[in-house]
Amino acid sequence: SQTIHQWPATLVQPVGSPLSLECTVEGTSNPNLYWYRQAAGRGLQLLFYSVGIGQISSEVPQNLSASRPQDRQFILSSKKLLLSDSGFYLCAWSVGQNSNQPQHFGDGTRLSIL
Amino acid sequence: QKEVEQDPGPLSVPEGAIVSLNCTYSNSAFQYFMWYRQYSRKGPELLMYTYSSGNKEDGRFTAQVDKSSKYISLFIRDSQPSDSATYLCAMPKGSQGNLIFGKGTKLSVKP
Repeated sequence: SQTIHQWPATLVQPVGSPLSLECTVEGTSNPNLYWYRQAAGRGLQLLFYSVGIGQISSEVPQNLSASRPQDRQFILSSKKLLLSDSGFYLCAWSVGQNSNQPQHFGDGTRLSIL
Repeated sequence: QKEVEQDPGPLSVPEGAIVSLNCTYSNSAFQYFMWYRQYSRKGPELLMYTYSSGNKEDGRFTAQVDKSSKYISLFIRDSQPSDSATYLCAMPKGSQGNLIFGKGTKLSVKP
């Protein structure tokens, strides 16, 4: 069966520090991968998605970037965090090459910027 | 008009009640519909995945789609305190598998 792992579960970082959040998927090949941010009362905001290694699409211009160095690994990064980067970050995967399949989520990283 | 609209609640019901959660959407091209359940501090978990109009039942949960009205519902029978969570509807949009999510309805089932 497929599983998705995200870490860390919680993170407290000072303003201006770098960020690296990692997500890995097991049990499937060539998945579509997604990064979302969920702010209180604002729903799920799609940040990035990837349909293959090295292929990243950005949905919202911002202080963050994403990379996909391996088929089942997706990384969310920032060089300098802002207070507005606080939130709950979720990684998800779906079956590749089938646009109507549901997405499956990890348990998220709660990021607090001080 | 937003593509997907969902009443955020909160919705509070007594244990054993029938719960009705709803979303409306504006794009008549949507054909697949999903419901997710999200517990506090956890990621959303897929509950129901349906195609086109009609009903789909899974245990105490029934998903209903009315494409003519652009309206989808999730019914929970014999609700339990463990059903207390936020419920999100979602629909695929575009060719890359991106989902449009409702903002979620927060449900509380009181013992």
